[in-house]
Formats: sequence, structure tokens, C-alpha cells
Amino acid sequence: GIQVEQSPPDLILQEGANSTLRCNFSDSVNNLQWFHQNPWGQLINLFYIPSGTKQNGRLSATTVATERYSLLYISSSQTTDSGVYFCAVNKAAGNKLTFGGGTRVLVKP
Amino acid sequence: AAGVIQSPRHLIKEKRETATLKCYPIPRHDTVYWYQQGPGQDPQFLISFYEKMQSDKGSIPDRFSAQQFSDYHSELNMSSLELGDSALYFCASSLGRGEGYEQYFGPGTRLTVT
Repeated sequence: GIQVEQSPPDLILQEGANSTLRCNFSDSVNNLQWFHQNPWGQLINLFYIPSGTKQNGRLSATTVATERYSLLYISSSQTTDSGVYFCAVNKAAGNKLTFGGGTRVLVKP
Repeated sequence: AAGVIQSPRHLIKEKRETATLKCYPIPRHDTVYWYQQGPGQDPQFLISFYEKMQSDKGSIPDRFSAQQFSDYHSELNMSSLELGDSALYFCASSLGRGEGYEQYFGPGTRLTVT
């Protein structure tokens, strides 16, 4: 099956800092989503981005499908940005998502 | 906007007991997915349904079964519970089937087996 790798596994930021999270995938995909899992366990949809660039407030994402990677940018980080960020993709019909291992982000005040 | 609803939010069961998790998809969404997330792990796909028919199956134990009903809600039935079944169970829904449709996740049911 398709492999999804995220880096870095852990990230500690000072409030106000910027950061870039990376997601590499092993095969062509038809869907790529970024999620934020908050400390209460909820998975929040951030971006649906199989290709191109999108922005939502302080967050933006870019997927380069031909090179099989996606980047999530967090600017002016806040303590509420803490949590785990997951990248998930699907390739096969039936649409099940395969998740990466996540990047655990801690933003310190 | 309406979101995916899951019930119960928390469930504590003893070994060998049974549990039923319920999922109510976003209105008009016809595809439902179940995922299991163990402690410190990423979510793993269990099973999905489209128009009340099973459409895909992942690493779901034989002790688990699921179905989608005429109103599109879904239930995950878990029998002979084991300690290793303790996890966060997510339901997700999407509009349409096949590649390329965004999935929206519910808040999850946290199952603890003692």
C-alpha cells in the first residue's frame, strides 16, 4: 500500500514563530488532507489539497503532486496551535485514507 | 454547519463485553468510514459503506461488525472486547464515493476496556 511519511516527528516552537511541516507519499494520490488533532483528540479538517496552494488565516498548504509531497505552513504560531498534525492520502477506489505518523507540535508561551 | 455526530463520546467496558458505537453523518453525505486510533498512533481504517453497502474493508477484527442503515447512520458493533480494543474510534463521512472526496471526521468515541 501507499506509504506516508511526515517530518519532523516533533516540533517545539516559541509563540510567534513560523514553521513548516512536510508530508511525503510514495505513490500518486487523488486526495490529500491535512488535519489538526487537538489535545482533546478531535480531528479538525485543515485543508483538502490534492494539488496546488491554499491559505486559511495563519495556515497555508502546498501540494506538489508530481513530486509527491505536501507542505503545511504555520505562521505566527499560537499556543492553541499545539497538537498533532496529520497528513492523509488516498489512492484506491473506496476512498479510505492512509495517515502519516503525524507531527507533534508544542507551542510555548 | 452540521457535523458528524458520534455517540457515546466515552464508553467503559469490561473484557469480553460487547459495545455498540453510533455515527450520524453530515446530512446528504452517503458514505461513512470507521477508523481506529490507538494511543500514540495514527488513525487506521476499519471499514466503509456507500449507500448502505460495504464498500471497503481494512484491518477490522472478525469480532467487529458494522452496517449502514436506511437513514445513512452507521453502527459499529464490537464483541468479546479485549484490552487492546481500547482506542479512539472515529467515524467520518463524505459526499459521493470514489477517489477525491473530502472526508469529515466526528469527535470520536473513546473506548476503554478494563
